[in-house]
Amino acid sequence: GESVGLHLPTLSVQEGDNSIINCAYSNSASDYFIWYKQESGKGPQFIIDIRSNMDKRQGQRVTVLLNKTVKHLSLQIAATQPGDSAVYFCAENYTGGFKTIFGAGTRLFVKA
Amino acid sequence: GAVVSQHPSRVICKSGTSVKIECRSLDFQATTMFWYRQFPKQSLMLMATSNEGSKATYEQGVEKDKFLINHASLTLSTLTVTSAHPEDSSFYICSASRTGGYNEKLFFGSGTQLSVL
Repeated sequence: GESVGLHLPTLSVQEGDNSIINCAYSNSASDYFIWYKQESGKGPQFIIDIRSNMDKRQGQRVTVLLNKTVKHLSLQIAATQPGDSAVYFCAENYTGGFKTIFGAGTRLFVKA
Repeated sequence: GAVVSQHPSRVICKSGTSVKIECRSLDFQATTMFWYRQFPKQSLMLMATSNEGSKATYEQGVEKDKFLINHASLTLSTLTVTSAHPEDSSFYICSASRTGGYNEKLFFGSGTQLSVL
């Protein structure tokens, strides 16, 4: 496979605080990026996406930032809630490629 | 909309048997489906890409004779783990794409936890 098989890093935040989850992507030709949320024992769910012609996109309580210069993505979650506890994956897709490659993932713990 | 159904959600089998996992797109036609494998506390690893009516494309290191993929219609893809062994125990997840996977978000099934005894 092409994704990195590392054990997941963990981010622990207090309920109500903002969370920032970072991701370094691998392919400089990637032009479409997606954040997915995966709860235990379930498949990933789409959160937000961004194309390479943008550097920021906002959704409901979530913001994705893209820095193509250093091949870095971040996901910001405002006012983090217990229901946000999950594993978050960034994923990349590139022009001419028809597959989505997942990053290593980050486990988010929200403390009440 | 965009619901992907995956069955079974959990299967336990004896070593040497074969297991079939189904992935269905319920409310859209999926030109392309992808099969991923996930070990505990790790990321999703792409195993293969299947297009309706053609042979699947396998990622490097994935045995095509071990993991048989059939995409017989625009709404159904199956993954058969043949002669399963304990090292095949894993969480298998399918996803479906409307447009062939090109620059669009994927819709995922709920996954199948395979345990081989």
